[in-house]
Amino acid sequence: NAGVTQTPKFRVLKTGQSMTLLCAQDMNHEYMYWYRQDPGMGLRLIHYSVGEGTTAKGEVPDGYNVSRLKKQNFLLGLESAAPSQTSVYFCASSNTGQGANTEAFFGQGTRLTVV
Amino acid sequence: DQQVKQNSPSLSVQEGRISILNCDYTNSMFDYFLWYKKYPAEGPTFLISISSIKDKNEDGRFTVFLNKSAKHLSLHIVPSQPGDSAVYFCAASARSSASKIIFGSGTRLSIRP
Repeated sequence: NAGVTQTPKFRVLKTGQSMTLLCAQDMNHEYMYWYRQDPGMGLRLIHYSVGEGTTAKGEVPDGYNVSRLKKQNFLLGLESAAPSQTSVYFCASSNTGQGANTEAFFGQGTRLTVV
Repeated sequence: DQQVKQNSPSLSVQEGRISILNCDYTNSMFDYFLWYKKYPAEGPTFLISISSIKDKNEDGRFTVFLNKSAKHLSLHIVPSQPGDSAVYFCAASARSSASKIIFGSGTRLSIRP
């Protein structure tokens, strides 16, 4: 019962480097989300997807891109990493939109440091 | 501008007593509210929720109260247990903007013996 799996768990990047965070869910959920968690800021929505082939911007989308080529996978890309993107990133999925009285299941997080 | 506010960054409660975590919101369009619990090095897990058509929802030791006129909700844990020590996030969403849950900044609850 894997649920939501994020890869990698930790990463250190140099400023200007690029990377992709992978999120995989095995619950056949339609909706997937990427959040970042920063001290004193809670969880902020970066991008989300309401189904295979769709993506939409959240609260803090700048500097990130996403893709949902397969229903079970949601990729978060950083084209040119900046120190301000140092954070813990969480992926989540839900059966329907979270405003429709459903809960979201979260991955274990990816701790990214940009130096 | 924070739409969901948890003004207490931390709370310490004695084991067996009641823990009360508070949350305020500013957006009157919010109609669904959730509480998530997070342990270190793990992702948040759903705890309990409440729709705006209710003012109370109970699940075992956990009860959430909603006061719409005050735009305030609270989570009560009774009795508090050591395993309840975690960070608790309040969250809210609006039917008109489904798929966007707005989280508060979290409250770290510590249960002392």
